[in-house]
Amino acid sequence: QKEVEQNSGPLSVPEGAIASLNCTYSDRGSQSFFWYRQYSGKSPELIMSIYSNGDKEDGRFTAQLNKASQYVSLLIRDSQPSDSATYLCAVKGGTSYGKLTFGQGTILTVHP
Amino acid sequence: EAQVTQNPRYLITVTGKKLTVTCSQNMNHEYMSWYRQDPGLGLRQIYYSMNVEVTDKGDVPEGYKVSRKEKRNFPLILESPSPNQTSLYFCASSLLGVARDTQYFGPGTRLTVL
Repeated sequence: QKEVEQNSGPLSVPEGAIASLNCTYSDRGSQSFFWYRQYSGKSPELIMSIYSNGDKEDGRFTAQLNKASQYVSLLIRDSQPSDSATYLCAVKGGTSYGKLTFGQGTILTVHP
Repeated sequence: EAQVTQNPRYLITVTGKKLTVTCSQNMNHEYMSWYRQDPGLGLRQIYYSMNVEVTDKGDVPEGYKVSRKEKRNFPLILESPSPNQTSLYFCASSLLGVARDTQYFGPGTRLTVL
C-alpha cells in the first residue's frame, strides 16, 4: 500500500461544477496535510493546509480531514478553467520532523 | 524578491559524470528539501535539512548526496549519475519545517542522464 494515495485521474468537470479530489494515507500518526496545485511546466504551490478533523474553507476551496478514516479531500466550488492543473496531496508523518510524502497527483481539467 | 533559485534549469549529461545542482533561498529559511518528480509517481523526497549541518534522508536518497554548510544553500550532488536519475528536480524551503509552514518551491531542474 502506498503511503499517500490519490484518486486516479484525470478528472474532468464542467465550468461552475464542484470538483472533488480525494487522498488517503497509511500513517495513523500523521499530523499535517497539504494540498498543492501544479500548473503544467511550473512548480507546486501550496493552496490549502489542514491539521485537525473537519472542514477548512478558503474562498472556493474546502479541505476536509477525517483522521479516523485516514482520508483528506479537497473540494473546489464553482470550478473555473484556470483551476485546470495537477493537484498534489502531501502528508507529514508522525515520526519525522522533516519528511513530507506526496501522492501521485490528480490531473483536473475544467472545461468551459 | 523572495525566492528559491536552482541552477542549472536544464542539464543533459552522461552516465558517471559527477554533477551538482545548486539551490539557494533568500528568505532566511531554516528548512530546505530536495524532491524528484516522475510521471505517475508524484513528488518524492530525496533529502531534507532542518538547519545548517543537519540533513536527513527522505524516501529516495540512494545515489544522491547533499550538504548544508550555509543556511541559504543546499546543493544536490550526483557523484555517479545513472539513467534512472533522469527526472525533474525541485528544491524547496520553508521557515522552520513542514509541520505548519508553507514550502516554497524553486523553478525545477530537468536532468537527463544518457
